[in-house]
Amino acid sequence: DIQMTQSPASLSASLGETISIGCLASEDISSHLAWYQQKPGKSPQLLIYGANSLQAGVPSRFSGSGSGTQYSLKISNMQPEDEGDYFCQQSHKFPWTFGGGTKLELK
Amino acid sequence: QVQLKESGPGLVQPSQTLSLTCTVSGFSLSSYSVHWVRHHSGKSLEWMGRMWSDGVTSYNSAFTSRLSISRDTSKSQVFLKMNSLQTEDTGTYYCARSYYYFGYYVMDAWGQGASVTVSS
Repeated sequence: DIQMTQSPASLSASLGETISIGCLASEDISSHLAWYQQKPGKSPQLLIYGANSLQAGVPSRFSGSGSGTQYSLKISNMQPEDEGDYFCQQSHKFPWTFGGGTKLELK
Repeated sequence: QVQLKESGPGLVQPSQTLSLTCTVSGFSLSSYSVHWVRHHSGKSLEWMGRMWSDGVTSYNSAFTSRLSISRDTSKSQVFLKMNSLQTEDTGTYYCARSYYYFGYYVMDAWGQGASVTVSS
């Protein structure tokens, strides 16, 4: 199975700050990478697919980049509603696998 | 409006079988795949398996022969059955829709989740 290693496990950001979350795949996943946001008691919400395509309705302060085995999610201008858990997920090979998650808090 | 909703028992005894139903609306099961994803509290998400739009299933081998996914397209429902439950199967179970878009899979809509506790 493809292992997805996410970093950091947690971070704290100030209002308006720009942050980045990384995701490292154990093999080349050819940009078959999605990012999700999950808030307590809620289901995951798709933010990015295909490594850098913004899902409809997601604010443009979210962006994704990367290729091969290394990917990142950037959140510009941190807002209170951006607090939550973030997961990366590969869909290059079955079984699809997720990163361990990053907990983002507002400082 | 696209919606998915999981239903099933909140409590299952060890060694028993879990049966969950995902009822969808706003789209056809003949056009989209439906996945099952599990979330252990405090841990990450785990992809369990999926029902393709053509009725073919694929599973995560981590669940070996314990897991079965089926559907009833006339009722817009997808079913999950997993036997020999243990306490480590406790978690929230989600169904989610996916489709293929310009070369990439998109898992764009999720149910609210069904909380399952395995305990005697």
